[in-house]
Amino acid sequence: KAGVTQTPRYLIKTRGQQVTLSCSPISGHRSVSWYQQTPGQGLQFLFEYFSETQRNKGNFPGRFSGRQFSNSRSEMNVSTLELGDSALYLCASSFSGSRANVLTFGAGSRLTVL
Amino acid sequence: QKEVEQDPGPLSVPEGAIVSLNCTYSNSAFQYFMWYRQYSRKGPELLMYTYSSGNKEDGRFTAQVDKSSKYISLFIRDSQPSDSATYLCAMKTSGSRLTFGEGTQLTVNP
Repeated sequence: KAGVTQTPRYLIKTRGQQVTLSCSPISGHRSVSWYQQTPGQGLQFLFEYFSETQRNKGNFPGRFSGRQFSNSRSEMNVSTLELGDSALYLCASSFSGSRANVLTFGAGSRLTVL
Repeated sequence: QKEVEQDPGPLSVPEGAIVSLNCTYSNSAFQYFMWYRQYSRKGPELLMYTYSSGNKEDGRFTAQVDKSSKYISLFIRDSQPSDSATYLCAMKTSGSRLTFGEGTQLTVNP
């Protein structure tokens, strides 16, 4: 059974650019969540999608956005990149996102903003 | 103040030692408690998942939850060099939104 796949694994951007990250969940999983991991703040929740609808959102500025497609694949976008956006962006999927479901994480996309 | 507090370490132990990792939390609404292990350049992988107070054992790993004290622990018996990783506690009220501790970096020396 394939795990959660994130692409690209590494990328470098400059300030002011935008970036799109992709996540393919485990087959059959309909909930996809995104987290940002930095040395200072740890893992912080960005948003969750279920059946193409954003179900929950963390405390991040509007520059961070996402979407989910009908096949449950998800993308997140960060516009007008800032140096502080350098981080490991992790995607996690679960069957339904209900309280009993556990999250399975991908390996992450490491973004460096210069 | 953070909702979940975890000592970031680093923690260094000899092979075979018993390792104790701990987190405290302030939100009494947390119902589900997890421990994830993260190797360098990898995503977190789930180690233990508990719902109620008490102990849960899985091989060399034991998770403890004390809701009255808002305190959770992970014990690793007979630690191995392959256990060297960052250990993250995580918890949630419902849904899939997890609140994580900062993570404790563990090194087990041969």
